[in-house]
Amino acid sequence: SAVISQKPSRDICQRGTSLTIQCQVDSQVTMMFWYRQQPGQSLTLIATANQGSEATYESGFVIDKFPISRPNLTFSTLTVSNMSPEDSSIYLCSVPPTGEETQYFGPGTRLLVL
Amino acid sequence: QKEVEQNSGPLSVPEGAIASLNCTYSDRGSQSFFWYRQYSGKSPELIMSIYSNGDKEDGRFTAQLNKASQYVSLLIRDSQPSDSATYLCAVSVDSNYQLIWGAGTKLIIKP
Repeated sequence: SAVISQKPSRDICQRGTSLTIQCQVDSQVTMMFWYRQQPGQSLTLIATANQGSEATYESGFVIDKFPISRPNLTFSTLTVSNMSPEDSSIYLCSVPPTGEETQYFGPGTRLLVL
Repeated sequence: QKEVEQNSGPLSVPEGAIASLNCTYSDRGSQSFFWYRQYSGKSPELIMSIYSNGDKEDGRFTAQLNKASQYVSLLIRDSQPSDSATYLCAVSVDSNYQLIWGAGTKLIIKP
């Protein structure tokens, strides 16, 4: 398994502002995933972040709105830009440990946009 | 479009009974299957993985896989109130480590 931490754990933001979420893993991993989970809903993949390359975004998500950085094999950030109330959600990072197909999740960041 | 389907519930089961959760998937080429448990306000937690047809048991949990029928199930024996949670079924996609997620089944264990 992997130990994953996220910062901040929660935040309340004003519309039009941006928030950067950090994800730290206790071991080196090639891939990191960023998900959104809206209240009462399942997980929606935002993007896949590989170290040393541009993130790959899923349909409906764009880099201008959700820029991602992956500076090394243990760390990634997701920025939610120009926020609106519709961005209120839980944002989760996950990693598949090397050689495993499963994913382990960070504790999540609970975002409320007013 | 690759899909994973689950009954959203809620599924209400008396304490001590067997809870049965089901999941079907559309991609016949899927090889790896996972069950996650998510408590309210928490992130998903892996509880079972299964890769070949048949049953896999871990304590009170049994995962069952039938690739011919494209379904995977999770049985929870001797259900406890602490098992009340949403259970997410996830299926691997090709070999790129992405998972396709079901919508989750909310399980309520009644004391």
